[in-house]
Amino acid sequence: EAQVTQNPRYLITVTGKKLTVTCSQNMNHEYMSWYRQDPGLGLRQIYYSMNVEVTDKGDVPEGYKVSRKEKRNFPLILESPSPNQTSLYFCASSYSGTTADTQYFGPGTRLTVL
Amino acid sequence: AQSVTQLDSQVPVFEEAPVELRCNYSSSVSVYLFWYVQYPNQGLQLLLKYLSGSTLVESINGFEAEFNKSQTSFHLRKPSVHISDTAEYFCAVGRINFNKFYFGSGTKLNVKP
Repeated sequence: EAQVTQNPRYLITVTGKKLTVTCSQNMNHEYMSWYRQDPGLGLRQIYYSMNVEVTDKGDVPEGYKVSRKEKRNFPLILESPSPNQTSLYFCASSYSGTTADTQYFGPGTRLTVL
Repeated sequence: AQSVTQLDSQVPVFEEAPVELRCNYSSSVSVYLFWYVQYPNQGLQLLLKYLSGSTLVESINGFEAEFNKSQTSFHLRKPSVHISDTAEYFCAVGRINFNKFYFGSGTKLNVKP
């Protein structure tokens, strides 16, 4: 089954404790992206990747890091989480980097930073 | 910067009534337009998209949206809604020749029996 998976689905952590949210897709997609969803703000793009070793900032990259060492994986790293990073996070992928492509979303990761 | 405005945060409607969810965007360049739907506790999935050609696009479950370039709008409509349409709907824009996507703040459609 074609899908985007994220782990963990739920995470409660404390300020300053480094964490990684994994994202994996099995569709051989070139483009991958991370979003955060906050009430009243919709989805905002954090980082995106056009292909292996190619990443770029979205609209809200502060406090986040990403890497793309393999085509299928695109982990999101919070090196020193803060309470304002409490949010619902979605990973998405699409076939190529063109914005005409449909994005396929993972199920989401709900992060709470205390 | 690109902005996408969904004026209605919540739309309550009775089953079998028509509905329109509004979306406006700001852009001086050409864009691709999307509507995504998010059912409770799930990720987003594509409902329909406009790339070029006919300004009216349809989904398989009866929704349609019309691209209006002069008004920079891409409103979503359905002539008769079902309980199962209860979800949050997001309008999104992708600028042509760029790699970023911009989403609206979402509209929660609540269909009542």
